[in-house]
Amino acid sequence: SAVISQKPSRDICQRGTSLTIQCQVDSQVTMMFWYRQQPGQSLTLIATANQGSEATYESGFVIDKFPISRPNLTFSTLTVSNMSPEDSSIYLCSVEGQGRAGELFFGEGSRLTVL
Amino acid sequence: AQSVAQPEDQVNVAEGNPLTVKCTYSVSGNPYLFWYVQYPNRGLQFLLKYITGDNLVKGSYGFEAEFNKSQTSFHLKKPSALVSDSALYFCAVRDYLSGTYKYIFGTGTRLKVLA
Repeated sequence: SAVISQKPSRDICQRGTSLTIQCQVDSQVTMMFWYRQQPGQSLTLIATANQGSEATYESGFVIDKFPISRPNLTFSTLTVSNMSPEDSSIYLCSVEGQGRAGELFFGEGSRLTVL
Repeated sequence: AQSVAQPEDQVNVAEGNPLTVKCTYSVSGNPYLFWYVQYPNRGLQFLLKYITGDNLVKGSYGFEAEFNKSQTSFHLKKPSALVSDSALYFCAVRDYLSGTYKYIFGTGTRLKVLA
């Protein structure tokens, strides 16, 4: 299994500002996935972050808006830039468990509210 | 691209009755299929997966799922529902493309077990 810590757990932000979400994993993992979820709704994949390479973004998400860092095998950050109320959501970090192919583990999420 | 569909937004079932949460998939090649559960105000948890082998897979909390290739379905089932099973359930598929992969989630089905 994998234990994932996300910070902040929640925040209230002003329009036009940026916020960086941190994701720390208790083991080394190759791939990390960033998702967005409206409360009670489905998960939308933002990007996949591999250590040592540029993140791969899904359609509708761009690097300028959601820059991602992946400096090592246990850590990643997602920045939500120039926020608007439409960015209000829960952002989730996820990894595949070591030796548990296909089993994703999720952080508790970062709930952002943009005013 | 691979995708999954969950045709029911909500399923209501009486406690003690069998439950089924439906999922259909659209994939090329052999599918990797998953079920996840999200309890209120908690992170997503892995329930079970189908990669290969027996069409009936068993998972956590007494849940099982049946892979049906001819019907392209992967329905989640439990013989006897508990009130504590009330949660949001997501079907997911692994999409493999150009040497990497990602996980795509369905729209989710809210299960309500009535006492």
